[in-house]
Amino acid sequence: GAVVSQHPSWVICKSGTSVKIECRSLDFQATTMFWYRQFPKQSLMLMATSNEGSKATYEQGVEKDKFLINHASLTLSTLTVTSAHPEDSSFYICSAYRGITDTQYFGPGTRLTVL
Amino acid sequence: DAKTTQPPSMDCAEGRAANLPCNHSTISGNEYVYWYRQIHSQGPQYIIHGLKNNETNEMASLIITEDRKSSTLILPHATLRDTAVYYCIVRVPQTGANNLFFGTGTRLTVIP
Repeated sequence: GAVVSQHPSWVICKSGTSVKIECRSLDFQATTMFWYRQFPKQSLMLMATSNEGSKATYEQGVEKDKFLINHASLTLSTLTVTSAHPEDSSFYICSAYRGITDTQYFGPGTRLTVL
Repeated sequence: DAKTTQPPSMDCAEGRAANLPCNHSTISGNEYVYWYRQIHSQGPQYIIHGLKNNETNEMASLIITEDRKSSTLILPHATLRDTAVYYCIVRVPQTGANNLFFGTGTRLTVIP
């Protein structure tokens, strides 16, 4: 149990376009999901906390208008990178919080490359 | 949340036990110790967590010292697929909101 999926697993886009990444908890409901970013040879950095039915909370330095988060249901959160630029190229990872086990479960990640 | 200190890298022979240490000398009484690992180009995988008693599951064992200032994750029979970065994290339970701070972790390399 406690499986989290992400789609797509990788995406290549042109500079200036927008990209949407989906995060789904497949076998449990998650009122809270998290979005992380990881650059090569670095650790995960939290970008934002996504709460079902309310606005996301962004970490300092993360532009909320550039990284749009929607948590429309208890099993789905989406991250949209708007007007992507090459510096947004990174590995984006989501996690879903399962209250009954008090544990975050992570998705497999999405590798974004902006040309 | 308390910060943790881990060695940057370790090697382990395949089939042998891998013992990964973690120092958390400033841990507070209500903080648990969590271990995750991240295999290359994948999302982190939950391994195990504990408060003060030793814990064991199908993946690993967690040994926490009596003063709770350090712990050791034990992979009893390391395989090549256990090569990954292992993160030791301390957090207050049942807070929901994120307090998973991923430090630099320990890069474990299992050698054939």
